This record gives sequence, structure tokens and C-alpha cells, in this order.
Amino acid sequence: GESVGLHLPTLSVQEGDNSIINCAYSNSASDYFIWYKQESGKGPQFIIDIRSNMDKRQGQRVTVLLNKTVKHLSLQIAATQPGDSAVYFCAERGSNDYKLSFGAGTTVTVRA
Amino acid sequence: DTGVSQDPRHKITKRGQNVTFRCDPISEHNRLYWYRQTLGQGPEFLTYFQNEAQLEKSRLLSDRFSAERPKGSFSTLEIQRTEQGDSAMYLCASSSPDQAPYEQYFGPGTRLTVT
Repeated sequence: GESVGLHLPTLSVQEGDNSIINCAYSNSASDYFIWYKQESGKGPQFIIDIRSNMDKRQGQRVTVLLNKTVKHLSLQIAATQPGDSAVYFCAERGSNDYKLSFGAGTTVTVRA
Repeated sequence: DTGVSQDPRHKITKRGQNVTFRCDPISEHNRLYWYRQTLGQGPEFLTYFQNEAQLEKSRLLSDRFSAERPKGSFSTLEIQRTEQGDSAMYLCASSSPDQAPYEQYFGPGTRLTVT
């Protein structure tokens, strides 16, 4: 599978491989983290979230890992499909806040 | 379709003109948010409503920007005397206090181009 240790703006992955997208967040007081997927011409679409009191959460083909020690978040996509091609953003929110703060996006391109 | 809708989807205007965008949130959602997204960047928070009350405004929201949600349902975002730097995608999102953890659902956005 494809993985990156640091945030990179682009990721090219072979169809069927696993993908790992990384994100660093800035606010240690954030208590809620979300991954969004944005396809061309569309608004961001919710993928999965995780609270700060957790370090791992799994969804359908996706897993989010949270490392609060180094303020790092990752999204793992299993068996990447062409429909997974999009820009992926991580976002954070404080416990007494409602607005989301988005990180830099990663453009994922799936090769057939 | 019961998602968040925005109108128009695209707007081209000349510098100095005023523009107004509309957002219709998901019907049972009482919270509504506006974000701005420039090319290659993540969305940036502009403002937030709970019902008809505007509870927070970002410093990004200059005096030329005004947002309203008069009846606690749809919202409008107006930009007066547009500048080329206002060119961006304007996104609206909504959420419900009954739907922990307050997941925000985004609309398709209004792409503004100021010439």
C-alpha cells in the first residue's frame, strides 16, 4: 500500500492498494477531529470522525488514527477504488466551539 | 433531495458590484455556517448562526460582508463592493444539536468570480 509519513499535497495510489493520508493539527485543546472528502465541484462530504479521548476508530473501509502526543491524525483507506479519487481534508473543533478548522488538503489519485 | 442547497452555483461579477448568495440548510438543522474556500485550500470559517442569531463572526468577515438568517431557516450572504480577492467558493453547512457530535453537512457551494 501507499503511505506517507508527513503531509503531502498529493498521493497517487494503485487501485486495490491501501492508502494512508496524514494530517498535523495545531490546537491541543481540540476535542473532535473529522475527515472530509471533496470531489471536484462539490462541497466537503463527511467520512469519519474521532473524539480526542480515542486513538482509533473504524468505519467502512476507512480507519482514523489519532496521536495526541504529536498532534497527528491519519486516515487509512482500504482497497482504494477509483471513486476514492478526491481531495481529503482533516478538520478539528474545540470542545466549546462549533466552527471547524481545516488542514491542508491531500489530493488522492487512484491509478487503474 | 434533502441536503443543503445553495444558489446560485456560479456567479461572475464585476469589481465593485454587490452580490448575494442563498443557503437552504437541512430542514431540521438549527445551526448554519458559512465558510470560504480558495483554490487549493481548505474551507475557512466565516460565520455561524444558531436559529436566527448570528453567534460568531470571523475576522475574515470584513465590513463589506453581511450574513442574515431572518427566520432561522435559509440564510443569505451579501458581499458589497466586491473585490478580486473575494473570488472564492462560498460554502454553507448545517448541523443539528440532536445529532451528536454535531456533524456539519456541506452544500455544493457558490463559486464567485470577480473580474
